[in-house]
Amino acid sequence: DIQMTQSPSSLSASVGDRVTITCRASQGITYYLAWFQQKPGRAPKSLIYAASSLQTGVPSHFSGSGSGTEFTLTINSLQPEDFATYYCQQYYSYPHTFGGGTRVEI
Amino acid sequence: EVQLVQSGAEVKKPGTTVIISCKVSGYSFTDHFLHWVQQAPGKGLEWMGVVDPEDGETKYTEKFQGRVIMTADTSADTAYMELRSLKSDDTAVYFCARSTGSEIDYWGQGTLVTVSS
Repeated sequence: DIQMTQSPSSLSASVGDRVTITCRASQGITYYLAWFQQKPGRAPKSLIYAASSLQTGVPSHFSGSGSGTEFTLTINSLQPEDFATYYCQQYYSYPHTFGGGTRVEI
Repeated sequence: EVQLVQSGAEVKKPGTTVIISCKVSGYSFTDHFLHWVQQAPGKGLEWMGVVDPEDGETKYTEKFQGRVIMTADTSADTAYMELRSLKSDDTAVYFCARSTGSEIDYWGQGTLVTVSS
């Protein structure tokens, strides 16, 4: 199975900050990487697919980059509604494993 | 509007079986795979498996192999996830999610399953 490692596991930030979250795959997954946002008690929301493509309706201050084994999610100008936990997931091969999550808090 | 609506919360005894449903609307049921994801209390997301509603083909992660069955009823536009021989550490929220291509795009609201004697 492909292991997905996110860092950091949590971070503190302020409204207006730029935040970067890293996701590393244990083997190359080309660009088959998605990012999700989850708020407490809610279902995850799909943000990014194919490493850098925004899902419909996702604000443009979210962006993704990377390929192979290293990927980043960047949140520019953090908004109050962006405080949440973020997960990466590889869908290069089964099982489609998730990273452990990154909690973004004030 | 694409919607995935899951069945309600369940309380089960150890050793029994739970079946969760995921009814979809707003798109052609057989055009997209349906995935199931487990989230234990306070923990992260764990991918359990996927079903192709067109032909019923499934892929399961090894952790649940032998205890889980994922099916799709095309007459009802509904997917099902059956988990057998429940244990206390199966207590979790279970999500269904649709994929386009291979990436997940829409999620159900989640179903809490509590396993307790």
